[in-house]
Amino acid sequence: QSALTQPASVSESPGQSITISCTGTSSDVGDYNFVSWYQQHPGKAPKLMIYDVSNRPSGVSNRFSGSKSGNTASLTISGLQAEDEADYYCSSYTASSAQVIFGGGTKLTVL
Amino acid sequence: EVQLVESGGAVVQPGGSLRLSCAASGFAFDDYIMHWVRQAPGKSLEWVSLISWDGVNIDYADSVKGRFTISRDNSKNSLYLQMNSLRTEDTALYYCAKPVAGIVYGMDVWGRGTTVTVSS
Repeated sequence: QSALTQPASVSESPGQSITISCTGTSSDVGDYNFVSWYQQHPGKAPKLMIYDVSNRPSGVSNRFSGSKSGNTASLTISGLQAEDEADYYCSSYTASSAQVIFGGGTKLTVL
Repeated sequence: EVQLVESGGAVVQPGGSLRLSCAASGFAFDDYIMHWVRQAPGKSLEWVSLISWDGVNIDYADSVKGRFTISRDNSKNSLYLQMNSLRTEDTALYYCAKPVAGIVYGMDVWGRGTTVTVSS
């Protein structure tokens, strides 16, 4: 099963907003609202930032938001802070194999 | 405190076997689906398997199907992954993870992982 497509890297200045895309197909992102986003700092376990497209777990800053349009999901981070610098991964349920697939990851640099 | 602690990782030769364990605490383990997710060095995350709260419903990634077996013992608050016919491409940090209450696919608690190295 092919991975979801994410940009390899993005960068932006502190205080600005940035959006990371995650492109799938009609068998996963397009047809199911089971998209999650994870943040991972070096040497650390992933941290759930968004689940079911746009829901924030308790304790996650409201600077993080998720959305979906067609086969592409997006994670938007507003008011960028130095601690947001990390790798971000999207994931989705895929009906083509009844499994979970992840994106290749996006490295966010806060300049 | 909600916690997951993986163990059992080791260096093993290709074709060998290994059993990973995940000890859960701080939550009602038998209420939750549980997942195994792995991450090869420098690579993205890869979902491996999930098991329903009662162990009846199980799914595997195609890459491990027929070689790995997930199981759980709710009386011991433990999750397991039996890995047979290991390949070099199975080398990774293996995490167990629980989803947000009431859902399946958004994993809000992760362990620190246990390292599996398959090498001759």
